[in-house]
Amino acid sequence: SSELTQDPAVSVALGQTVTITCRGDSLRTFYASWYQQKPGQAPILVLFGSSERPSGIPDRFSGSRSGNTASLSIAGAQAEDEADYYCHSRHHFGDHLVFAGGTKLTVL
Amino acid sequence: QVQLVQSGAEVKRPGASVKVSCKVSGDTLTDLSIHWVRQAPGKGLEWMGGFDPEDNEKFYAQKFQGRVTMTEDTSTETAYMELASLRSEDTAFYYCASYKNSWYYFDYWGQGALVTVSS
Repeated sequence: SSELTQDPAVSVALGQTVTITCRGDSLRTFYASWYQQKPGQAPILVLFGSSERPSGIPDRFSGSRSGNTASLSIAGAQAEDEADYYCHSRHHFGDHLVFAGGTKLTVL
Repeated sequence: QVQLVQSGAEVKRPGASVKVSCKVSGDTLTDLSIHWVRQAPGKGLEWMGGFDPEDNEKFYAQKFQGRVTMTEDTSTETAYMELASLRSEDTAFYYCASYKNSWYYFDYWGQGALVTVSS
């Protein structure tokens, strides 16, 4: 079983704000990063260091961390934001890395 | 801009091995920490292993230990992932990705290579 957990599916109305959460003990110690994956494409990095955006990622994407929970928020969700989103961090023990199971975001 | 270009799709019989390549441009392998992540059809991302620059060695997910080998050829700037004793459950897209150990994130990804295991 994964050490990080996400809700399998979330929906948001076009233009509204949505938050996707990721929970796990390792998040108390290690930064989370977030990846967006659209069908047939490789994942792309949308947030790192729990809240930093790589260049080219719209500023409607933001992140935060509190305790054992990391969150990805999309303010004013667009149709092109519909995708699977994965949270990642280091394993709670040792050097290993782990992904959460992913959240399928539907923009209505 | 770093680019990772992977080899093409492969079809293998159960019990065989597969070797997927990942050619780096825009940087050098010695400056990157290349990891491998796989994704079975309709499933999530699964970390397989990669290079830890702090220990200067490869480390593999327990699930794949003994069956996976990750190597690098610095003369051609190409990383390789070889998975042995293939079974149908290994059918998946295999991605290489460069990893930033300081902040724990994958910044660049290859396009993925589909490996199909079928008799």
